[in-house]
Amino acid sequence: DSGVTQTPKHLITATGQRVTLRCSPRSGDLSVYWYQQSLDQGLQFLIQYYNGEERAKGNILERFSAQQFPDLHSELNLSSLELGDSALYFCASSVKVNTEAFFGQGTRLTVV
Amino acid sequence: GENVEQHPSTLSVQEGDSAVIKCTYSDSASNYFPWYKQELGKRPQLIIDIRSNVGEKKDQRIAVTLNKTAKHFSLHITETQPEDSAVYFCAASIDSNYQLIWGAGTKLIIKP
Repeated sequence: DSGVTQTPKHLITATGQRVTLRCSPRSGDLSVYWYQQSLDQGLQFLIQYYNGEERAKGNILERFSAQQFPDLHSELNLSSLELGDSALYFCASSVKVNTEAFFGQGTRLTVV
Repeated sequence: GENVEQHPSTLSVQEGDSAVIKCTYSDSASNYFPWYKQELGKRPQLIIDIRSNVGEKKDQRIAVTLNKTAKHFSLHITETQPEDSAVYFCAASIDSNYQLIWGAGTKLIIKP
């Protein structure tokens, strides 16, 4: 167990819908990262927060948004879902930049 | 911006032989280079990392070497075992940045 909790583990939804993925980082970790991993693909960096502030943005679609709350948990919102959004979404946390990142078990999103 | 290339994309080795995966990076300011292992259906986990003030680091059968002049770093696995079968990702980052730049991954297959 990495100490990073992601909910839900699985999510099946229809095209056009909106979903929210939740991540609770390890206790004490201020950095939270979101990644998308499509089938047999690499890790696509979406966005990173540090202590509540957005610090880096990757190839995140405009239909996607995220935030980190004062208690440091983070949510990733995906809207107007398309079939191609089906993927495994990972959250990771670390104490600070350039230290080990601990990954959650991921949320598998299936858009039908 | 930083770019990380990882080779090969697939590597098949006989059990007991050594495996080497190489990554090259573009930004000479990069100073942190972790390697993550992702077993099938599981989360990525850090297996070893190296910082730019060190040329080599070992942990049992795993070692990482860094050549700052050539801007490449490599993962070496000796005496490979079936449990080494996984996808391995390299990454690079800079202290002043908040984003890990990931390689595309190498699928390592250990043949019995």
